[in-house]
Amino acid sequence: QSALTQPPSASGSPGQSVTISCTGTSSDVGGYNYVSWYQQHPGKAPKLMIYEVSKRPSGVPDRFSGSKSGNTASLTVSGLQAEDEGDYYCNSYAGSSGVVFGGGTKLTVL
Amino acid sequence: QVQLQESGPGLVKPSGTLSLTCGVSGGSISSSNWWSWVRQPPGKGLEWIGEVYHSGSANFNPSLKSRVTMSVDKSKNQFSLKMTSVTAADTAVYYCARIYGTPGDAFDIWGQGTMVTVSS
Repeated sequence: QSALTQPPSASGSPGQSVTISCTGTSSDVGGYNYVSWYQQHPGKAPKLMIYEVSKRPSGVPDRFSGSKSGNTASLTVSGLQAEDEGDYYCNSYAGSSGVVFGGGTKLTVL
Repeated sequence: QVQLQESGPGLVKPSGTLSLTCGVSGGSISSSNWWSWVRQPPGKGLEWIGEVYHSGSANFNPSLKSRVTMSVDKSKNQFSLKMTSVTAADTAVYYCARIYGTPGDAFDIWGQGTMVTVSS
């Protein structure tokens, strides 16, 4: 059960947009519309930001959006704000293997 | 709204058994949701451990399946994790979480996490 591949880091200036990728295989990301994204601040529990590829839970700003193409899912944060800084993780359903997470991306707001 | 709270020993000896409980408040463990455990070693990423339904049905990470059991106590509105034969590699923050829809869907509510250290 291999982890999904995320870039270790991403950055952008306030107001800019940044996109974080999450690459898997046809057995996970490419095979199901169960891709989620989580934001984690130091010492805190993860917070759900996007579910089922592109849906936003209540209370999550519309600056956060998700998409998927083939075996790669993406999280885009538009209009970057200082509070968006943190670690971001993707995860995907992987059938009989259960659930697999990405290695995480540290987002820095310059 | 539903809140989750993990509890259990913070220190477990190597080769011993890790036991954690997740209390559910503001909602029923017998709802249509599945319940899950996720862990995070210090400075590392998240790892799914498994999930359990109030009926007792459960699914596990294949890499941990031989060492993990999960159960539900409806009378106490809580669910539990047991992991046997622990080693230092099992040292992590353990989170319990609610699954939004069916197994494989998002983890929409998380507990605050509890640190478990495996050491003699």
